[in-house]
Amino acid sequence: GNSVTQMEGPVTLSEEAFLTINCTYTATGYPSLFWYVQYPGEGLQLLLKATKADDKGSNKGFEATYRKETTSFHLEKGSVQVSDSAVYFCALSLARGDKIIFGKGTRLHILP
Amino acid sequence: GAVVSQHPSWVICKSGTSVKIECRSLDFQATTMFWYRQFPKQSLMLMATSNEGSKATYEQGVEKDKFLINHASLTLSTLTVTSAHPEDSSFYICSARDSPLAAKQYFGPGTRLTVT
Repeated sequence: GNSVTQMEGPVTLSEEAFLTINCTYTATGYPSLFWYVQYPGEGLQLLLKATKADDKGSNKGFEATYRKETTSFHLEKGSVQVSDSAVYFCALSLARGDKIIFGKGTRLHILP
Repeated sequence: GAVVSQHPSWVICKSGTSVKIECRSLDFQATTMFWYRQFPKQSLMLMATSNEGSKATYEQGVEKDKFLINHASLTLSTLTVTSAHPEDSSFYICSARDSPLAAKQYFGPGTRLTVT
């Protein structure tokens, strides 16, 4: 079936450290891939997305590249800030308007 | 940006009672709303999809008689957990999109349900 696997947290980093959160997927067909972020007390927000192989999604200094050959969509940021502390969800959707399948989420703590 | 609210943010109820959770789109008309359930350290599991004015479509394994979903207007959907039991305790999240084929969903902050 279709699924998303992401690294378990929590991940704790110091401010200005490099961040990678791994995400791999299993899907029939060619999914769109997403990263969502949930800040404390708020709803999930779309952080970035990619709709086809080799696309790079980027937003707020975060990047992720759609790698079809490795079925991966790893989230990276070169220099994290305390304000990046949140839960990050990798997700996929098989068709426009179709349901979204989420990974388990990775909690990120950034220490000042 | 588009905002989705949920009420209440947390609720405690006794086993055997029913509880209603509201999901509202505050600044847009939501043709489709989704209800998710999230267990601790687990992913969001889609429970059902509801389109305004029609019956909800439930995911496999979700009891439609236990989790009643009503989407009576373009800005409001409700989830009623009937005859709640402790195993229904969970975090319930709704999301909405403003057109049937829109890729983007707007998520509410979630409702924590505890059944004692």
